[in-house]
Amino acid sequence: GAGVSQSPSNKVTEKGKDVELRCDPISGHTALYWYRQSLGQGLEFLIYFQGNSAPDKSGLPSDRFSAERTGGSVSTLTIQRTQQEDSAVYLCASSLSRDYYEQYFGPGTRLTVT
Amino acid sequence: DQQVKQNSPSLSVQEGRISILNCDYTNSMFDYFLWYKKYPAEGPTFLISISSIKDKNEDGRFTVFLNKSAKHLSLHIVPSQPGDSAVYFCAASYYGGSQGNLIFGKGTKLSVKP
Repeated sequence: GAGVSQSPSNKVTEKGKDVELRCDPISGHTALYWYRQSLGQGLEFLIYFQGNSAPDKSGLPSDRFSAERTGGSVSTLTIQRTQQEDSAVYLCASSLSRDYYEQYFGPGTRLTVT
Repeated sequence: DQQVKQNSPSLSVQEGRISILNCDYTNSMFDYFLWYKKYPAEGPTFLISISSIKDKNEDGRFTVFLNKSAKHLSLHIVPSQPGDSAVYFCAASYYGGSQGNLIFGKGTKLSVKP
């Protein structure tokens, strides 16, 4: 079946602009996660959604970052007033539910802030 | 405070030999551990996992060993193949944990030379 998809695959933006990154999880997966991987670093948790529950935003690095998940499926990660330190690969993952440890990842969006 | 540590950023192994990737953790509440493999420009893919009630799990050429007293796990790949060349991430979780359920190490880049 179809895996997790993300768009765009690459995004170059100027410092100060807003960007939106999109994630389509695997159909039927109720849990959705956003991570980012900066150069030479591991995966850093940002936010996760479980069904209709309030999202866990504990990993968001600043209030410039926000995310929403519409209809329990597609999710959008928004970064406002981008900074150069926001440059990273943003990865989305989904799992059957929060109680299933295995997460399935999309290919990521490489964000470059110039 | 890094809860999951992969102290070797890189490892080079000859084809046919054994590859051993190591991971240490600090949180004694972790009860499930996973290994992910990541190729360039792709998202991480789930490889193998182990529950804390076990000390070994095997899947084909891949075996994960868990030493709870030492808070250490390792991934053995035997025999290693050039296609195994990738970055390997160790991840850990515990039921009821926050931060999106999985906490990742920084990864080890494995190069298998023909």
